[in-house]
Amino acid sequence: DAKTTQPNSMESNEEEPVHLPCNHSTISGTDYIHWYRQLPSQGPEYVIHGLTSNVNNRMASLAIAEDRKSSTLILHRATLRDAAVYYCILKEGAQKLVFGQGTRLTINP
Amino acid sequence: GAVVSQHPSWVICKSGTSVKIECRSLDFQATTMFWYRQFPKQSLMLMATSNEGSKATYEQGVEKDKFLINHASLTLSTLTVTSAHPEDSSFYICSARGSSGGWADTQYFGPGTRLTVL
Repeated sequence: DAKTTQPNSMESNEEEPVHLPCNHSTISGTDYIHWYRQLPSQGPEYVIHGLTSNVNNRMASLAIAEDRKSSTLILHRATLRDAAVYYCILKEGAQKLVFGQGTRLTINP
Repeated sequence: GAVVSQHPSWVICKSGTSVKIECRSLDFQATTMFWYRQFPKQSLMLMATSNEGSKATYEQGVEKDKFLINHASLTLSTLTVTSAHPEDSSFYICSARGSSGGWADTQYFGPGTRLTVL
């Protein structure tokens, strides 16, 4: 199984950038790096995904290391609504997303 | 776009009864749907993968006769918890993967169904 390692928790302040790290040293050449987040009592929400190049969308940016063994999800300006558990997931095989423990992000007002 | 709904959002039932949970992709066709279960303060655990028109593939340790999955159309999958017991109380979440175009590489999740078995 391709696995990821994330810090259990992180804390940041409102309106500041947040960098959420993820290590995936055993990533294979065809694994995509996916990020999802889960707000309390809700289903996960897709954030972003990428393969080799850095990616940007309206929610976040994804910075992928050149060797692809790590990546960083960047929230450019955190709000209280960004408080959630963030999951970094390598797409396993053709279809399955397997969730780890994720990083619980707390945003201080 | 890419909205997945679940019904009901919460359900309470008596031990021994069966409960059906529906998962619908509202604005795209989903060839593949997934069912997850999440206990308090834990991560999501994949239960099964279902493809439209074929039998579901269950993860190791998940009882297929207890958790019946039907994926009858490209927009609807159902999970039936048969003879529910208190230990089946959990948050059940479905997700759907599109069949073509921009939806194909991403799974979109429903809001979840909280099941409480008394």
